[in-house]
Amino acid sequence: AQSVTQLDSHVSVSEGTPVLLRCNYSSSYSPSLFWYVQHPNKGLQLLLKYTSAATLVKGINGFEAEFKKSETSFHLTKPSAHMSDAAEYFCVVSAGTGRRALTFGSGTRLQVQP
Amino acid sequence: GAVVSQHPSWVICKSGTSVKIECRSLDFQATTMFWYRQFPKQSLMLMATSNEGSKATYEQGVEKDKFLINHASLTLSTLTVTSAHPEDSSFYICSASFRSGGYTFGSGTRLTVV
Repeated sequence: AQSVTQLDSHVSVSEGTPVLLRCNYSSSYSPSLFWYVQHPNKGLQLLLKYTSAATLVKGINGFEAEFKKSETSFHLTKPSAHMSDAAEYFCVVSAGTGRRALTFGSGTRLQVQP
Repeated sequence: GAVVSQHPSWVICKSGTSVKIECRSLDFQATTMFWYRQFPKQSLMLMATSNEGSKATYEQGVEKDKFLINHASLTLSTLTVTSAHPEDSSFYICSASFRSGGYTFGSGTRLTVV
């Protein structure tokens, strides 16, 4: 069984300040972990993924996440928020890769203030 | 990169009619297709998993006679919402996994039943 918990349903930051979106996971297997972003009425875009290689994963648009097994966490960060980062972010876990379905967290809505 | 083309992007139908949603993988073979449903301001919930040439596996609580999934080829999977009712109004998203690992999502279909 696997699950993912996004600790904040809503995060608000000022433009130019750091972003931290928190995610904790639970998995019976060595997990694959992902962060996806969804803009209103749009599909999902992959930001980054962890698949048992380097624990610090760099993604698109300046985002990165660190896999911490001891804390079962996979928090998403960005040094400086941009207005275009305002969206819904999903932390996602999969037990392995390929044929296994993804389990989505409840989502975190990121608001960026000017 | 791998692309999944999902159509239509939005559809409005009358209560009692059926609606078909298509997901087509472009330039790759989708070994497995997942269908998700997303209610407003909520996360994605897995509805069913389909492998090419075999019957779909539905998640608990999802009516297989209402949500018909066909995965006749490695490049095409369809979801048909039969006898649609207003409570079926939602955002439906497909996701394909492929042999080399990884997942890609369709752009989603906004279904409104009036």
